[in-house]
Amino acid sequence: NAGVTQTPKFQVLKTGQSMTLQCAQDMNHNSMYWYRQDPGMGLRLIYYSASEGTTDKGEVPNGYNVSRLNKREFSLRLESAAPSQTSVYFCASNPTGSNQPQHFGDGTRLSIL
Amino acid sequence: AQKVTQAQTEISVVEKEDVTLDCVYETRDTTYYLFWYKQPPSGELVFLIRRNSFDEQNEISGRYSWNFQKSTSSFNFTITASQVVDSAVYFCAREGNSGGYQKVTFGTGTKLQVIP
Repeated sequence: NAGVTQTPKFQVLKTGQSMTLQCAQDMNHNSMYWYRQDPGMGLRLIYYSASEGTTDKGEVPNGYNVSRLNKREFSLRLESAAPSQTSVYFCASNPTGSNQPQHFGDGTRLSIL
Repeated sequence: AQKVTQAQTEISVVEKEDVTLDCVYETRDTTYYLFWYKQPPSGELVFLIRRNSFDEQNEISGRYSWNFQKSTSSFNFTITASQVVDSAVYFCAREGNSGGYQKVTFGTGTKLQVIP
């Protein structure tokens, strides 16, 4: 069972470069989320998608865009990467409205120089 | 913002000691859910437990136990007879409905080191 799959696992970018982080889940979940994890700050929600075709901003959306391509896939794009976006990014999913725990991917460690 | 506070940034214990990780949350919701997740050194996030706000019964699962006290807005996590494999960062989280979606707020985590 793959669960939530994130690619790539690691990436180094230069300031100003663009990058798309991919996330796919095979659990038929409606809701998907993107978080960033920074030291001492826990996980902060960037964007979420309650269903295919809908996306909404979370706590820290600036500098990011997302696409819910279909029910399985939810991508996060950095149009012009900045050093402040150096972080570990987690994608998660769960069934909408069920208050079930979120299932997380293994994370993408992104460094921006 | 309705915060989740994990005041203990780092804890070190010697193997076989018991350890309690504290979690205090803020909420204006009547119905909400509380979670604990474990993040081992390998980095993935592992779900441990979910409690809803109407169920204040304490829960035990092997060496793990959770104490939910609504009166003090706390949801503490105890590991009995700690083992080296328990070394990880533990996150407490609260979920409630916010603007039509289930908003999950995470604490900043407690790093537990179990020394052999």
